[in-house]
This record gives sequence, C-alpha cells and structure tokens, in this order.
Amino acid sequence: EAGVVQSPRYKIIEKKQPVAFWCNPISGHNTLYWYLQNLGQGPELLIRYENEEAVDDSQLPKDRFSAERLKGVDSTLKIQPAELGDSAVYLCASSREPGHYGYTFGSGTRLTVV
Amino acid sequence: KQEVTQIPAALSVPEGENLVLNCSFTDSAIYNLQWFRQDPGKGLTSLLLIQSSQREQTSGRLNASLDKSSGRSTLYIAASQPGDSATYLCAVNAAGNKLTFGGGTRVLVKP
Repeated sequence: EAGVVQSPRYKIIEKKQPVAFWCNPISGHNTLYWYLQNLGQGPELLIRYENEEAVDDSQLPKDRFSAERLKGVDSTLKIQPAELGDSAVYLCASSREPGHYGYTFGSGTRLTVV
Repeated sequence: KQEVTQIPAALSVPEGENLVLNCSFTDSAIYNLQWFRQDPGKGLTSLLLIQSSQREQTSGRLNASLDKSSGRSTLYIAASQPGDSATYLCAVNAAGNKLTFGGGTRVLVKP
C-alpha cells in the first residue's frame, strides 16, 4: 500500500507570509494526525481527526494555525502569518485503528521561516 | 498527563556492539507502545509495535520489551552496524488515541 504522502518536502518563506502543508493518508485510515517536531525533540501533537471531525485540537495555536480535512480523506494545515519560531518539521500520520495497528508517518515538511 | 522519557539522549558504540535504548512513561494505562527510527531530515519509520498485553516483540536484530506496570520499555539492537546510526523514538498510545513521544536517543555506530 502507498504510504502517507506529504507535500511539499521543504518550504522556505519570509515571516508574516502564509504557508500550507498537504497530507494524503493511507487509504482506509480514518484517523489523521498533524505533529510538530522541533530540532532535537520528539514530535508533539497539533491536531487529531477522526474522519472529517477534529476530535483533539487543544494543542493547535488557533490564532495563526488552522487545519481542515474535507471529506475525511486528505488534510491541509495552514499557518497565517508565519513567525520565525514556526520553523520546524511538520509531520502527518494516519492509522486505521491506533489501538491495534499503530501509526504510519509521512516524510514530513521542513519549514524554514526567515 | 503522560510523560515519556528516553535515556540516554545520545549513544556512541563501535560496530558489532549490542545497543540498549531505554524508554519510561508515567501513566501505565496505555493501549500500545511503538518504536520509531528517524534518519536526519526524514520522517519516522515504524520499527516495532507492542500491545499493552504483550511483553515483547522481535523483528530481525531488533527486540523490544514492555513492562507496563513499571512504565518501561527497552529496545535492543543486536550486533550493531553503521547503518543503524539514526535517532530512535519511543511513543506511547494512551487514552484518546493520543500518541506521546519521548525526546529520542541519537545513536552513532562507528565502523
């Protein structure tokens, strides 16, 4: 099966500009996650979707971050406006049933804000 | 709140030596625990998934143990090779299907 696909792989933007990341999960995986990974640290959850519903967005900085998962398949994470501190790797993961099958991660998008 | 700790943060061994990576978590009410490998600039690759009812999982040279009651898991890599150099992350799946990660152990295997 195809893995979790993320694009772009790399993005460099100036501060205050908007940016968007895209994720296509594995077919049949109803649960989708966005994680943020700072250099040298483990990933931290931003938002979790069950189908098209955001069931946990408590860690998402809603003043500048937004996400959507229309039709319960692929998802987009947006930052507007970007700040220097947003430079990190943004990871997407999906699962068919996390309690039994674990998670599959994409390759991530490395964002650099200058 | 679940907290996951990995010790050591970095490890350097000569080729052929066995690797022992430790992971501890504070809340034992977990569904499962997953070990990942991350190469520089890459995403996460799943290595082993241990369900809460299991004591260990094995895949090739990799063996992971789980002691849920004490909140510990250990990843063993036998006969290390330079290609094993990477960061290894432990993640715990608990209530609400929330995956919580440790900070990772950065491994360097010297030829």
